Amino acid sequence: DAGVIQSPRHEVTEMGQEVTLRCKPISGHNSLFWYRQTMMRGLELLIYFNNNVPIDDSGMPEDRFSAKMPNASFSTLKIQPSEPRDSAVYFCASSFGRRPSPYGYTFGSGTRLTVV
Amino acid sequence: AQTVTQSQPEMSVQEAETVTLSCTYDTSESDYYLFWYKQPPSRQMILVIRQEAYKQQNATENRFSVNFQKAAKSFSLKISDSQLGDAAMYFCAYRSPTGNQFYFGTGTSLTVIP
Repeated sequence: DAGVIQSPRHEVTEMGQEVTLRCKPISGHNSLFWYRQTMMRGLELLIYFNNNVPIDDSGMPEDRFSAKMPNASFSTLKIQPSEPRDSAVYFCASSFGRRPSPYGYTFGSGTRLTVV
Repeated sequence: AQTVTQSQPEMSVQEAETVTLSCTYDTSESDYYLFWYKQPPSRQMILVIRQEAYKQQNATENRFSVNFQKAAKSFSLKISDSQLGDAAMYFCAYRSPTGNQFYFGTGTSLTVIP
């Protein structure tokens, strides 16, 4: 298995532009999570999906952020318009099962977003 | 929400020596899962070890072991025979039995000195 695949690995964009981050979870995993990592705030859960349905989006900072999961093998996180304070590493992770399990997440390699 | 505290922002250890990273958490739940993740400079988050709260026996994975003290809500990670490749950021994480999300600590940066 190739693991959780995120693209792009790096993204540099100008303030005000739309940014789309992509994630392909591990085949068979039915839970998908988007995290943001910054030095100041550490790892923050933005949103998570179970069976393609958003379960908890309370971590999404504001309306500029949106996430979709049109099918079991693909998810996007979109920021429109982007701002410099959105600069961070964005991780996607997937897991099996909705009910609590001892299994940890499998993380992607992250997308480092820089908004200038 | 549960809180996870890692009180050591930075630690260092001599190669081949042993180091212990601390983690405490706050919860009112009796059953839960605890994890340690490693994040090397490559940025990849790698699961190191996990512990189920209902198990009294401490988890072990090769050179990595935990000291799980449920009453004290403490979950420390011991790395034995430290290697240069162990240098990374280490995150402690809590997973609730009633939810699907993880709560992460702020991390401990480990340096291994040759």
